[in-house]
Formats: sequence, structure tokens, C-alpha cells
Amino acid sequence: NAGVTQTPKFQVLKTGQSMTLQCAQDMNHEYMSWYRQDPGMGLRLIHYSVGAGITDQGEVPNGYNVSRSTTEDFPLRLLSAAPSQTSVYFCASSATRSYGYTFGSGTRLTVV
Amino acid sequence: AQSVTQLDSQVPVFEEAPVELRCNYSSSVSVYLFWYVQYPNQGLQLLLKYLSGSTLVKGINGFEAEFNKSQTSFHLRKPSVHISDTAEYFCAVIRDDKIIFGKGTRLHILP
Repeated sequence: NAGVTQTPKFQVLKTGQSMTLQCAQDMNHEYMSWYRQDPGMGLRLIHYSVGAGITDQGEVPNGYNVSRSTTEDFPLRLLSAAPSQTSVYFCASSATRSYGYTFGSGTRLTVV
Repeated sequence: AQSVTQLDSQVPVFEEAPVELRCNYSSSVSVYLFWYVQYPNQGLQLLLKYLSGSTLVKGINGFEAEFNKSQTSFHLRKPSVHISDTAEYFCAVIRDDKIIFGKGTRLHILP
């Protein structure tokens, strides 16, 4: 089925470890974004991209890196995990900025 | 300034009663406005959007929203809620090339 695929669904990391959250879409969408969701905070934008080779920071970029080498993939890298990065992470994509985003099912990350 | 404000963090309502979830946006952002719904343990799903034209927008699952430029509001309504509407609802706006979300409103349906 067409959509946004996030892997893994669950992950436990130790403080200081690094990892990459994967995001892939098969709808040829130019716009892709990463959000984290924390109780009472809504969704906060980490990084976003408006096309292959173009990325920019959102509201809470510290501790995260992204790259966009293809239209389909937009991985999120945690450089050195901290307990404050315990959250649910969502990837989303859209054909244009006003089209409306399609969301993945999320990755629940716990940093101990 | 906050781009989008959802005025209620939780809204309890009896089944089959009407509901309104309130959203106000900053006049400094574009008037591309969205409502999303998140069912428990799922991602977000687009309910409806306003880009231009008619100020009353109809979405999925019987929801509708009204764009009010003078009050900078985009409230979501449903005339009769069902237990299956239990979810968290997010208002969102476009700012530059980014979509910015409000903090969400939890809709609790009472039997």
C-alpha cells in the first residue's frame, strides 16, 4: 500500500548510543518532515525537506541530523542519545506545502 | 508568537451531542489551515483543510470547520459525536514551507 513507512516501530537505546530512524515514502512527494510528539506538547518539528538535497531545521533540531539523497528516503539520525529524546517520532510527507501531509505510524523511542 | 492555538486541551461531550473544538491562528501565517485526527496508538490522519474559497469546509467522518478571517479562527464542529470519535485532534497551519501544529485537544465521549 502506498504511504509512509517508518522503521523500527519500537527502540530502546542507552544514553550515548547513536541510531538512525528510517522513513520512506512511495508517493513521489517532495516535502518530508520529522516530528516528535510528547505529552502536552503536540507535535514539534525537528527537521524538514522540500526536495532531494534540500533540508532545513525546525523548532527542535538539536541532537538530530538529517539528509535527503533521494526523493523517497528521509532518515533521522540521533548522534548521541539522551533521555530527553525519549519520545514518539513521526515522519510525514506531502506533494506540496498545501496538499496535506501523510503520516507514518511512528517510532516509539526510549533512551535509558 | 504562537502560530496556532488550541484553546482546550480536553473536551468531554456526551455521545450524540454536538461538539466544537476551537482553534485560533496567528494573522502572520498563511491561511492554509488543517485539522488532523490521531486515534490511540496511531499516526495522524487529515480530516479537512482550508486553502481558499468557501469558508465552510467539510471533511471526513461528518466533521466540518469554518474559516473566520476577522476572528482568525478555524473551529472544528460535528453535529452528533459517536464513541468512535474518541481521539486527539490537531489544528495546523502552514508557516513558510513548514506545517506547524497546535498542542492538540483530546475529545472524550461520555456514554
